[in-house]
Amino acid sequence: EPEVTQTPSHQVTQMGQEVILRCVPISNHLYFYWYRQILGQKVEFLVSFYNNEISEKSEIFDDQFSVERPDGSNFTLKIRSTKLEDSAMYFCASSDQVTGVTGELFFGEGSRLTVL
Amino acid sequence: AQTVTQSQPEMSVQEAETVTLSCTYDTSESDYYLFWYKQPPSRQMILVIRQEAYKQQNATENRFSVNFQKAAKSFSLKISDSQLGDAAMFFCAYSGDDMRFGAGTRLTVKP
Repeated sequence: EPEVTQTPSHQVTQMGQEVILRCVPISNHLYFYWYRQILGQKVEFLVSFYNNEISEKSEIFDDQFSVERPDGSNFTLKIRSTKLEDSAMYFCASSDQVTGVTGELFFGEGSRLTVL
Repeated sequence: AQTVTQSQPEMSVQEAETVTLSCTYDTSESDYYLFWYKQPPSRQMILVIRQEAYKQQNATENRFSVNFQKAAKSFSLKISDSQLGDAAMFFCAYSGDDMRFGAGTRLTVKP
C-alpha cells in the first residue's frame, strides 16, 4: 500500500542551524502539507502546497520556514535558523483532493526535531 | 478561525468494552467535514472515520461510530468491543478551508 515517507526520523541540531526535513508523498497525490506537534500539544497546521506553490500557510510559518518540491517526488521543509521552540514532531501529509472538500490526508510517521 | 477541542487527554477502557471519545469544534461555516484520526505509538496517523456535515446520519466503520450533533458542534467517537490494538492517540479534526486538529486523546486498552 502506498505511503508517505519522511526522513530523518529524528534530528538533533544546534540553535541557529539550518534543518531540512524531507518527505516523499504518495506518487499520484497533488496536495502536500506540513504539520507540527510540539510535545504534549495539538497538531498544528503549517503550510499547504499545490501546483508548485504555497496555497495556504499559518501564522507559525514565518520567514524562517520554506518549502519546495525540488524534483517532482520530494517535498521538503526547511527551517533556516532553528530556535529552541522549533523542537517538535513534524508531519508531512499528502492528499489527492484539497482538504476543504473531502480529502483524506495521508500522513508520514513524522520527523522529530530537537533543537539544543 | 476554527478550533477543535478534545477535553479528555487520556481515556482507559477494558478490552471488549465500549468507550466514547469526545470532541467539540467551533465554526461559522455550514459545510465542512469532520474526521477522527488514530496514531498508534511511533506510527503515522491513519484515518478512522469521516463525517460530512450536511449528512444527518452518523457515520460508522465496523466497530467505530460517531455521534454527530451539528447544532451542538459535537463529534464524539464510539469504539465498541475495544481491542488491544486500539491503543493509540486519537485526534479529532475539522476540515474547512484547511484541516485543524484537536490536542488528542490517549486511549489505553486494558486486557
